[in-house]
Amino acid sequence: EPEVTQTPSHQVTQMGQEVILRCVPISNHLYFYWYRQILGQKVEFLVSFYNNEISEKSEIFDDQFSVERPDGSNFTLKIRSTKLEDSAMYFCASTDGTGYTGELFFGEGSRLTVL
Amino acid sequence: AQKITQTQPGMFVQEKEAVTLDCTYDTSDPSYGLFWYKQPSSGEMIFLIYQGSYDQQNATEGRYSLNFQKARKSANLVISASQLGDSAMYFCAMRVMAGGFKTIFGAGTRLFVKA
Repeated sequence: EPEVTQTPSHQVTQMGQEVILRCVPISNHLYFYWYRQILGQKVEFLVSFYNNEISEKSEIFDDQFSVERPDGSNFTLKIRSTKLEDSAMYFCASTDGTGYTGELFFGEGSRLTVL
Repeated sequence: AQKITQTQPGMFVQEKEAVTLDCTYDTSDPSYGLFWYKQPSSGEMIFLIYQGSYDQQNATEGRYSLNFQKARKSANLVISASQLGDSAMYFCAMRVMAGGFKTIFGAGTRLFVKA
């Protein structure tokens, strides 16, 4: 069964450092997303990406964040200068082109710890 | 603006009994999808069930059913014959066409199944 894969599964970094989280969405999917979940809390939308550009971003997704699809398979989230409050689980997700009916497929998450 | 509300932070249920997890939503978009996801303690997001805004019948998937009341904007999840393995966090979610078909999540309900 096809799946969304994320690397790394866990990253520890110092405040102020740059972090890149990587995702490989399901190959025939068209819409890609990043979500964030601070421990035990709600799953927060960060950004949606379609046709090589951002469709929508939340207020959390400020200038410190960027996304890229550098090739046909990878989808990355970059945090330029991490803050303590960026510590969270980051989920990548993708869906096919069936609009609002399509199930969102999640990766297993990348846990980011900022010290 | 779209919104998902889950008013039950935690629920307890006896093994083998049924339980209902509440979810209300708000959107001005006539086309939307409603989803429930389970998040066990291991952290992955597991898709459970989907209901489309134009679906006339309530969705069912095994022991899961979605009680969809469109006029009340509610989409409650019913789990029948609860099992110990059902203990987890449950998130109600909604996808709309706006924002690249982004999906937004409620705050979640933590379900505890007692033996």
